[in-house]
Amino acid sequence: KNEVEQSPQNLTAQEGEFITINCSYSVGISALHWLQQHPGGGIVSLFMLSSGKKKHGRLIATINIQEKHSSLHITASHPRDSAVYICAVDSGSARQLTFGSGTQLTVLP
Amino acid sequence: KAGVTQTPRYLIKTRGQQVTLSCSPISGHRSVSWYQQTPGQGLQFLFEYFSETQRNKGNFPGRFSGRQFSNSRSEMNVSTLELGDSALYLCASSFLAGENEQFFGPGTRLTVL
Repeated sequence: KNEVEQSPQNLTAQEGEFITINCSYSVGISALHWLQQHPGGGIVSLFMLSSGKKKHGRLIATINIQEKHSSLHITASHPRDSAVYICAVDSGSARQLTFGSGTQLTVLP
Repeated sequence: KAGVTQTPRYLIKTRGQQVTLSCSPISGHRSVSWYQQTPGQGLQFLFEYFSETQRNKGNFPGRFSGRQFSNSRSEMNVSTLELGDSALYLCASSFLAGENEQFFGPGTRLTVL
């Protein structure tokens, strides 16, 4: 069993829809990261969180430490949100991220 | 402020050769981490350097090595290249080690023929 599980693997939505991507992990963590990767490879860090909820524009990330679960929400989705979204956990004092397999999001106009 | 830069962006090598990739972190950042991304294995942690010291290493063979210089620039080296080393190699920098946001470079795409 992978330490970090993401669902769904693929997601297609219509522009304007509310989107949720889930991440479950099995190890103790110090922080959880949500990353966005566009075609071509560039990765952007969206959120780093260790408790509660963070919001940035149309993106919201939540984490439940007790349930070892995090969600990434996108409100009013747009075609430019099409990308791979990756969850990663930081489980030690030294930086060693363990990654989920990613969710390929496609938003259709 | 300039972002993380990686050179070269693309590289083609043949089996048995060695390769050195370079990463320049954001000015002031002292932690550099390296990752390998392949279609089969996804993203995997290679190693992390902080103040010229390797603090942690992922589950990769000894052919993969790295170092960090006093200006925080980092290099990684892969010796005796194998076909399976074909991947996107990403580095990321952060101000401090530990719980800090990482900023990723554009990656170096290595193809081993």
